[in-house]
Amino acid sequence: AQKVTQAQTEISVVEKEDVTLDCVYETRDTTYYLFWYKQPPSGELVFLIRRNSFDEQNEISGRYSWNFQKSTSSFNFTITASQVVDSAVYFCALSEIFTGNQFYFGTGTSLTVIP
Amino acid sequence: DAGITQSPRHKVTETGTPVTLRCHQTENHRYMYWYRQDPGHGLRLIHYSYGVKDTDKGEVSDGYSVSRSKTEDFLLTLESATSSQTSVYFCAISEGTVANYGYTFGSGTRLTVV
Repeated sequence: AQKVTQAQTEISVVEKEDVTLDCVYETRDTTYYLFWYKQPPSGELVFLIRRNSFDEQNEISGRYSWNFQKSTSSFNFTITASQVVDSAVYFCALSEIFTGNQFYFGTGTSLTVIP
Repeated sequence: DAGITQSPRHKVTETGTPVTLRCHQTENHRYMYWYRQDPGHGLRLIHYSYGVKDTDKGEVSDGYSVSRSKTEDFLLTLESATSSQTSVYFCAISEGTVANYGYTFGSGTRLTVV
């Protein structure tokens, strides 16, 4: 079974629209970490955020915000007022404390922001 | 300074030939990883290392071997390349367990097996 599900394969929005990328995870551990990575067209993978399972506070960083809800096992990512530079593939990932050294990546959501 | 570099960036090779990809880090991190990225699969772990000469298999290790003789270098070898190994390969490093520290990724190696 998929540990991390990103059901949205591709999303297109017009510049300045808000967009939310969904991430649903599955774990039996009580201690775990969730991550988001961005992969722009240039191909590199860029770390965006890390959140541990005990911190359900939402986080905002500029136009980016993350909504972590343990009740629904979701860690969604919202981009406000999207820009063309936000066009990328976004990966959500889970790391369980007892497996320590492995990430479970989602299959990614490809976001295209249309000017 | 990138901190982690992969070489080569692009390679085309023939089926049946051995291929070695190199990952070099200047961060002195203990943990190093090799992933492959394929459409519809996201990133999948091939092998990882938790110290010099200490390695372990990941999810998709068949057909691959690794070596780590120095902290800074982690080599991935395709023993006899097949077309199914055409992929983008990413190296990653982590200061500690990824649960606590997350990854820093290299820029990737695009490998085509013809």
